[in-house]
Amino acid sequence: EAQVTQNPRYLITVTGKKLTVTCSQNMNHEYMSWYRQDPGLGLRQIYYSMNVEVTDKGDVPEGYKVSRKEKRNFPLILESPSPNQTSLYFCASSLGGGPYEQYFGPGTRLTVT
Amino acid sequence: GENVEQHPSTLSVQEGDSAVIKCTYSDSASNYFPWYKQELGKRPQLIIDIRSNVGEKKDQRIAVTLNKTAKHFSLHITETQPEDSAVYFCASEDQAGTALIFGKGTTLSVSS
Repeated sequence: EAQVTQNPRYLITVTGKKLTVTCSQNMNHEYMSWYRQDPGLGLRQIYYSMNVEVTDKGDVPEGYKVSRKEKRNFPLILESPSPNQTSLYFCASSLGGGPYEQYFGPGTRLTVT
Repeated sequence: GENVEQHPSTLSVQEGDSAVIKCTYSDSASNYFPWYKQELGKRPQLIIDIRSNVGEKKDQRIAVTLNKTAKHFSLHITETQPEDSAVYFCASEDQAGTALIFGKGTTLSVSS
């Protein structure tokens, strides 16, 4: 089954404790991205990757890191989480960047206290 | 910067009525305009999209219209049903063609 998976689905952590949210896709998509969803703000892109070893900032990259060492995986790293990073995070993949359908993962609900 | 404005932010209709959600975009070079539906607790999923070489596209009860001159596009849902209740996001391709810019979403409630 074609899918995008994320782990963990729910995470409660404390300020400053490094964490990683994993994302994996099995559709051989070149493009992957991370979004955060906050009430009233819609979906905002954090980082994206056009291919292996190629990543770039989205609209809200501050406080986040990513890596793309393999085509199927695109982890999101919060090295020192802060309460303003409490949000719902979605990973997505697609054939390309702009003009292609984005396939979203199930989401990760992160709470930073 | 590039921007997509979406209205209204909330919309309540009676079952069987029509619903219309409107979006405007800032980058005249955009050529791709998708609509995503997000049911409560679920992931966003594409329901329909339109490219700039057409003015309207239909898929059963949903349709999207595009006016490139005015830089706006709309989602039309006819004969609404309770299962249409969800958050709907419009989006447009960014200038570089590397990402989608999403509107802030419209919460549609269909009451029976």
